Amino acid sequence: NAGVTQTPKFQVLKTGQSMTLQCAQDMNHEYMSWYRQDPGMGLRLIHYSVGAGITDQGEVPNGYNVSRSTTEDFPLRLLSAAPSQTSVYFCASSSTGHFAGEQFFGPGTRLTVL
Amino acid sequence: SQQGEEDPQALSIQEGENATMNCSYKTSINNLQWYRQNSGRGLVHLILIRSNEREKHSGRLRVTLDTSKKSSSLLITASRAADTASYFCATDSNTGNQFYFGTGTSLTVIP
Repeated sequence: NAGVTQTPKFQVLKTGQSMTLQCAQDMNHEYMSWYRQDPGMGLRLIHYSVGAGITDQGEVPNGYNVSRSTTEDFPLRLLSAAPSQTSVYFCASSSTGHFAGEQFFGPGTRLTVL
Repeated sequence: SQQGEEDPQALSIQEGENATMNCSYKTSINNLQWYRQNSGRGLVHLILIRSNEREKHSGRLRVTLDTSKKSSSLLITASRAADTASYFCATDSNTGNQFYFGTGTSLTVIP
């Protein structure tokens, strides 16, 4: 099993550009989530999904969109990138929805917005 | 923000010593988890403790939970250089669907 995969590993955008961060898991997990990690801030939840077709907002959803058309994939879209979105983005998955247990994390995408 | 806090922010010890880090959180929880992050990598799950548990062990790891004080501690015994990493606690929301990570403790184990 590949676990949780994320692409790209690194990305540089100009302010106003859009892009999609890809996340896929091959563990048939129902729960998937996106976090951003900023220095000194720990991880903050952006959006999450408890199954295909179901998404919800986390702590810092503004500026980001998600969709969940399949169990395996959970892409994160930046519609109009801003310098404040410079961060490291992590995707995670878990086998359960409510009261999800262990989360498996991807390797991260380091995004810089100029 | 419901983000928790780890204490200390940074910890440096000699190989073989024990390392203790603490986590405080703000709201009631269903469970609390600890994760490790090596530099430039994703997080790896270490241990989960439920709100009705007070202590849990896994190998060289010992976790305690005090829900009355809204705090948890992670003890790593007989530390090794390979334990050098950042350690984060994570708590869940009352619905169990959202997770709040602390700010992390950076542990350095000197060989």
